[in-house]
Amino acid sequence: NAGVMQNPRHLVRRRGQEARLRCSPMKGHSHVYWYRQLPEEGLKFMVYLQKENIIDESGMPKERFSAEFPKEGPSILRIQQVVRGDSAAYFCASSLGVLGATDTQYFGPGTRLTVL
Amino acid sequence: KQEVTQIPAALSVPEGENLVLNCSFTDSAIYNLQWFRQDPGKGLTSLLLIQSSQREQTSGRLNASLDKSSGRSTLYIAASQPGDSATYLCAVVTSGSRLTFGEGTQLTVNP
Repeated sequence: NAGVMQNPRHLVRRRGQEARLRCSPMKGHSHVYWYRQLPEEGLKFMVYLQKENIIDESGMPKERFSAEFPKEGPSILRIQQVVRGDSAAYFCASSLGVLGATDTQYFGPGTRLTVL
Repeated sequence: KQEVTQIPAALSVPEGENLVLNCSFTDSAIYNLQWFRQDPGKGLTSLLLIQSSQREQTSGRLNASLDKSSGRSTLYIAASQPGDSATYLCAVVTSGSRLTFGEGTQLTVNP
């Protein structure tokens, strides 16, 4: 059973370009979470999605960032008009169901975005 | 708003030493608390999960305790090895949608 897959692993963009990050959850998981880790900081929650629905996007910047998890295919985190401050590691996680006492999230290896 | 703090931020010990990492959280209404390990340039590996009704969990040389009422958890690592060198992250679940992480303790075990 393959784990959470993220691609690309490394992404370099120039200021003003778009960055598109992909995440394929573990088989059978329909809950996806995106986190951002800025240099020398902890992981911060961005958005929680189920298939075709955004459940909680309270951690996502209001502008330039969007996320989707279509019925078919991976979850996509899209950053438009990137700025240097977007440089970070972006981690995707998935879970079988809504997090409760016994549930955990499984993390992908991350996408490291560098904005020049 | 839940906040998670980890102390110390960095720790360097000689091989073989027992050590304790600390985690505190501000909102005691948690579902569970987890300890993760993060290696440089890699993703996160879940080490231990403690349910809110539990006091501790053990896995090999690792033991994690939870005192929910005081908002504290500790991760005890026995007989540390150089391979234990990594960043250790504490995280709590207080709603169905997210983990709230501390900023981590960077551990170095010197041979």
